[in-house]
Amino acid sequence: GESVGLHLPTLSVQEGDNSIINCAYSNSASDYFIWYKQESGKGPQFIIDIRSNMDKRQGQRVTVLLNKTVKHLSLQIAATQPGDSAVYFCAENTGGFKTIFGAGTRLFVKA
Amino acid sequence: NAGVTQTPKFRVLKTGQSMTLLCAQDMNHEYMYWYRQDPGMGLRLIHYSVGEGTTAKGEVPDGYNVSRLKKQNFLLGLESAAPSQTSVYFCASSYSSDRHNYGYTFGSGTRLTVV
Repeated sequence: GESVGLHLPTLSVQEGDNSIINCAYSNSASDYFIWYKQESGKGPQFIIDIRSNMDKRQGQRVTVLLNKTVKHLSLQIAATQPGDSAVYFCAENTGGFKTIFGAGTRLFVKA
Repeated sequence: NAGVTQTPKFRVLKTGQSMTLLCAQDMNHEYMYWYRQDPGMGLRLIHYSVGEGTTAKGEVPDGYNVSRLKKQNFLLGLESAAPSQTSVYFCASSYSSDRHNYGYTFGSGTRLTVV
């Protein structure tokens, strides 16, 4: 989910389990959403996107779900691996030149 | 294919000093952006450019200037650095249609400390 203050929400999962990371977006007019992964010391990396005319989209081991009614987005990672440990954040776009990024959730994968 | 390249990766400045952060992309993207990332906060847009020779202010533009003289390069300048500008700076570029900015490609970041 979104963070308040200096500390990011943290999700700790066992290797092999599924992970679900949540995001509450802010603008009901947003119609394009993206999930990014940021590993320590690196720039954000695009994972998957979804348009508002869809409620689910699947990629390789990842699924994004969109609930426009409650302005909620989630990222599901199947069979979580140690390499999935990172900060994950969502982004929303209303069609303008700017994209609004959430602060992110830190995912720890326990071996 | 290098994507987005930022230089330098690290820099320490004294208050009042100036510097320029360099960003280069090789994907022929029209749109480029400079963001800063501070602990516990989302990326905040400093300035952006929708094409060669054009720039615009973002959410937190004060104390920064930018230039986009060539399509592939986007420069971020700090004229008189302040401790509040201590942050990690990311450059990004994107393909855009008339409707959306699509997924951004980010550089690896510049960690700037102002003392």
